[in-house]
Amino acid sequence: IAGITQAPTSQILAAGRRMTLRCTQDMRHNAMYWYRQDLGLGLRLIHYSNTAGTTGKGEVPDGYSVSRANTDDFPLTLASAVPSQTSVYFCASSEASGANVLTFGAGSRLTVL
Amino acid sequence: AQSVAQPEDQVNVAEGNPLTVKCTYSVSGNPYLFWYVQYPNRGLQFLLKYITGDNLVKGSYGFEAEFNKSQTSFHLKKPSALVSDSALYFCAVRERSGGYNKLIFGAGTRLAVHP
Repeated sequence: IAGITQAPTSQILAAGRRMTLRCTQDMRHNAMYWYRQDLGLGLRLIHYSNTAGTTGKGEVPDGYSVSRANTDDFPLTLASAVPSQTSVYFCASSEASGANVLTFGAGSRLTVL
Repeated sequence: AQSVAQPEDQVNVAEGNPLTVKCTYSVSGNPYLFWYVQYPNRGLQFLLKYITGDNLVKGSYGFEAEFNKSQTSFHLKKPSALVSDSALYFCAVRERSGGYNKLIFGAGTRLAVHP
């Protein structure tokens, strides 16, 4: 089934550790996004990529980095995790960079202690 | 900056009754508006969008939304609610900022449909 695969599904992490959340899509979508979902705040954009080889900062990029080496993969890295990064992280993609209709992954729940 | 507001944290409806989930927007220019639904432990799923044309937009699972420019609203509706409609609903608006397009999401409204 075409879609987005995120891993891990859930992770508990000690503060200060490095963590990479993986995201892979098989729809050949050009644009990809990382959002975090926090209660009462909805979804906030962390980083985006309009096409392979390019990335950009969203609303809340601090403490996160991304790379887009190819069309399919868009990993999100926390270099040194802090408790405020406890959240549910969603990867999404869209056919073009217009961000009209997004397809979302099932999410990665991250707890930083 | 563009924004959307969902004034209700939760909406409770009896099965078979009509439902409305409210959304108001604040944009400069013509709005691109969206509704997404999130079922437990799942990612968001696209329901419908308004870009231009008919103010009444029909989407997935029998949902529709009415774009009202004078009231700056884009409420989600369904004539007859199902228990399986219970989920978290997000309104969103597209914004162009810093050379890229992004979706700005509301805080979400939890819909509970009771048998």
